[in-house]
Amino acid sequence: GQQLNQSPQSMFIQEGEDVSMNCTSSSIFNTWLWYKQDPGEGPVLLIALYKAGELTSNGRLTAQFGITRKDSFLNISASIPSDVGIYFCAGQFNNAGNMLTFGGGTRLMVKP
Amino acid sequence: DTEVTQTPKHLVMGMTNKKSLKCEQHMGHRAMYWYKQKAKKPPELMFVYSYEKLSINESVPSRFSPECPNSSLLNLHLHALQPEDSALYLCASSLPYNEQFFGPGTRLTVL
Repeated sequence: GQQLNQSPQSMFIQEGEDVSMNCTSSSIFNTWLWYKQDPGEGPVLLIALYKAGELTSNGRLTAQFGITRKDSFLNISASIPSDVGIYFCAGQFNNAGNMLTFGGGTRLMVKP
Repeated sequence: DTEVTQTPKHLVMGMTNKKSLKCEQHMGHRAMYWYKQKAKKPPELMFVYSYEKLSINESVPSRFSPECPNSSLLNLHLHALQPEDSALYLCASSLPYNEQFFGPGTRLTVL
């Protein structure tokens, strides 16, 4: 099925550094979601974005819904070891049975 | 209660076995989902239930049989699976047109 373009695929950073990842799509979405998944666990919702241009924060996380409705980014400030995991973006178009289209994931590794 | 629970956490089964995965939520969500996830890949949608009725089947083989006994429960019945069906099976729930919340998953191994 369709998959969003998520980049980078992986990042290996030093603790304390800021992180940025983004997703782009050829289709528009009504909602952008960002999830984090730890090994062997289910994805955990980090941030939900509902309006084009919306900028939302959750602690050290900040995400934006692109003006064109075809992209979104997630920033993590001052990374810590527990930020390690795989981050997935997901777009949702409300007329499509609430189905999610996922990005390929960004694997984040943090060096203490 | 703001979580989706899944049992069992791990399941090992042979290709001739019949087993079931269970999912439960008490958030009043009327949409529930089954996903399959392979290593290093995003979740792939299998089924969607809306108001206890199957609304989407993403061409899943009949050896996977979903069931929604009531608005809080979702089952996935497994029969005659293949080794390539080994994966993490995720359940999710949501309000209509709202964000989906995932359970912790069941790690399935088919021998």
